[in-house]
Amino acid sequence: GQQVKQSSPSLTVQEGGISILNCDYENDMFDYFAWYKKYPDNSPTLLISVRSNVDKREDGRLTVFLNKSGKHFSLHITASQPEDTAVYLCAAGQMQQGTGSKLSFGKGAKLTVSP
Amino acid sequence: AQTIHQWPVAEIKAVGSPLSLGCTIKGKSSPNLYWYWQATGGTLQQLFYSITVGQVESVVQLNLSASRPKDDQFILSTEKLLLSHSGFYLCAWSRQGGQDTQYFGPGTRLLVL
Repeated sequence: GQQVKQSSPSLTVQEGGISILNCDYENDMFDYFAWYKKYPDNSPTLLISVRSNVDKREDGRLTVFLNKSGKHFSLHITASQPEDTAVYLCAAGQMQQGTGSKLSFGKGAKLTVSP
Repeated sequence: AQTIHQWPVAEIKAVGSPLSLGCTIKGKSSPNLYWYWQATGGTLQQLFYSITVGQVESVVQLNLSASRPKDDQFILSTEKLLLSHSGFYLCAWSRQGGQDTQYFGPGTRLLVL
């Protein structure tokens, strides 16, 4: 089954508003959580990531909230702008010392910011 | 700064033909390297990872194989393509140790007819 789920495939927000993207995961061993941004026909670029020892991380207009007991994390984008329009992928995994990290991705959610 | 290249950019291949996709990372020694695949409309799936030259671990079985002949090179291949192999192939790297963010290359788009 899919280990990471983005239940809302699309979201439209007015320019200047707050965009909230959600992600649920199944494996409670996951200790790394990330959001990637993807334009059509391009590869994902990392936006922000957190480890499981924090429940919130801010970077400019971006904030990640982590709810470990609920196996849920979200991305909030404040003051949303038309250039934020893209597909957002959430990813979660277990960072293992000395081995490759295994990441599971959600299907993606299309954010449209309308002027 | 690290740069990651993938080749070819795009490929159209016949069912049953062989395939070789390449990935090179510059500016980083001993990276962890990863292969991902995304079918059209599908989810990005991790296929393989490698933490050192000559070592590759399979994550998902798709009748594909991977090799790491050099520290900075990762190759994805098969001797016989299937229609289901069509999609977007991405190479990614992370710092040695595995406990770090993965950064993606530009990708190769493959269409199997």
